[in-house]
Parts: sequence; structure tokens; C-alpha cells
Amino acid sequence: GENVEQHPSTLSVQEGDSAVIKCTYSDSASNYFPWYKQELGKRPQLIIDIRSNVGEKKDQRIAVTLNKTAKHFSLHITETQPEDSAVYFCAATSVGFQKLVFGTGTRLLVSP
Amino acid sequence: EAGVTQFPSHSVIEKGQTVTLRCDPISGHDNLYWYRRVMGKEIKFLLHFVKESKQDESGMPNNRFLAERTGGTYSTLKVQPAELEDSGVYFCASSQVGGRIGELFFGEGSRLTVL
Repeated sequence: GENVEQHPSTLSVQEGDSAVIKCTYSDSASNYFPWYKQELGKRPQLIIDIRSNVGEKKDQRIAVTLNKTAKHFSLHITETQPEDSAVYFCAATSVGFQKLVFGTGTRLLVSP
Repeated sequence: EAGVTQFPSHSVIEKGQTVTLRCDPISGHDNLYWYRRVMGKEIKFLLHFVKESKQDESGMPNNRFLAERTGGTYSTLKVQPAELEDSGVYFCASSQVGGRIGELFFGEGSRLTVL
């Protein structure tokens, strides 16, 4: 089955810096990769996703890149703000399946 | 629109006791999932309902866990008897059949502490 690894487990940056979180997956059949953000005490929420027919996707300050050959994908946050502080989870699945396989999460702390 | 609601938000029980967690999905969402996160680890899949039917229960750890979704509305997850390693946050999520793939709507989770 699919296995998703996520790094780093914690990431501290200064406000305004960029943050990058990386994930690798094992199943070459996986073709859909969402990212979830969980603020302290709140529910995980989808923030961005990418399908395997696309190499990069942007939404304002966040972007996701995908390298199918290497089986890795990354979340990029530019101009970080304190409200970006949260735990971020990557996930992988195959379109047609409804079971997401999550990474272990990255705790991002943005200091003012 | 009400989101996914879970009850209780936190439960502390002793080893050997029973706990029942409840999830109310978003109205109209036929897909309902249970996930669990043990501290510092991944959000791990437990099972998936489509309406009242178990579509995939491959993630259920053992027969101490029993999930039901009678009538295809709310779901319960019972742990009996609870063990120390069952501690963690149990998330419920729902989605529409045919909806945006991967967009699961999560509840805030039920934190279970087994002493």
C-alpha cells in the first residue's frame, strides 16, 4: 500500500521568510496530492491540492510542486505570517479511491 | 451549513473500560471516514462508510474497535475494552459522493486518553 513520508517534523521561521515542507510517496499509482492545515485546537482543512498531470499549482502565497519521477511533492509558503503557524499534513491517493494516506505532519511556527 | 461534529471532544477512561465516539457528518454527505492520530504520527485511516455500508475497514486495528452507521447518518466508533495504545485523537471526516476528490471535511476530533 501507499506510504507517505513528510519532513521536517518541525519548522521555525521568521515572519516574511519562506517555508518549504517536503513529502515523498511510494505508490506510483497515486495521482492526487492534497495538503491540509490544522491550526491549534481546530480541524484539519484542505488548503491546496495537485493532480499528477500538473507540475506546479499556486494559490496566492502557497504553492505545491510535484515530481512524479522522484515521487515527491512539496508545499511552499512565501512571505510567511504568524497566522500560518499550524500543523501541515500532506496526503496521497489515487483518483477513484477515497482513502487518503497522510504524512506525519509538520509543525510550522512563524515568529513575528 | 453545519460542519462535521464529533462528541465527546475529550474522553479520559481507564484501561479495560469502554468508550463510544460519535460523529455527525455534513448533511447529504454519503462518505464518512474515521481516522486516528497518535501523538506525533500520521493521521491514519481506520475505515470508510458509504451511506450505511462499510466500504473499507482495512485500517481498523483489531476487533476491539467497532464502527457503525445505522441509517446512513451519524456514525459511532466503540472501543471495548480500551488499551493504553488506543490513546490518540480520533477524527471523523465526510465528503460527497462524486464531490471533489480528496476534499474531506473533518470534525475537530475526539481526544481519547486511556490511563
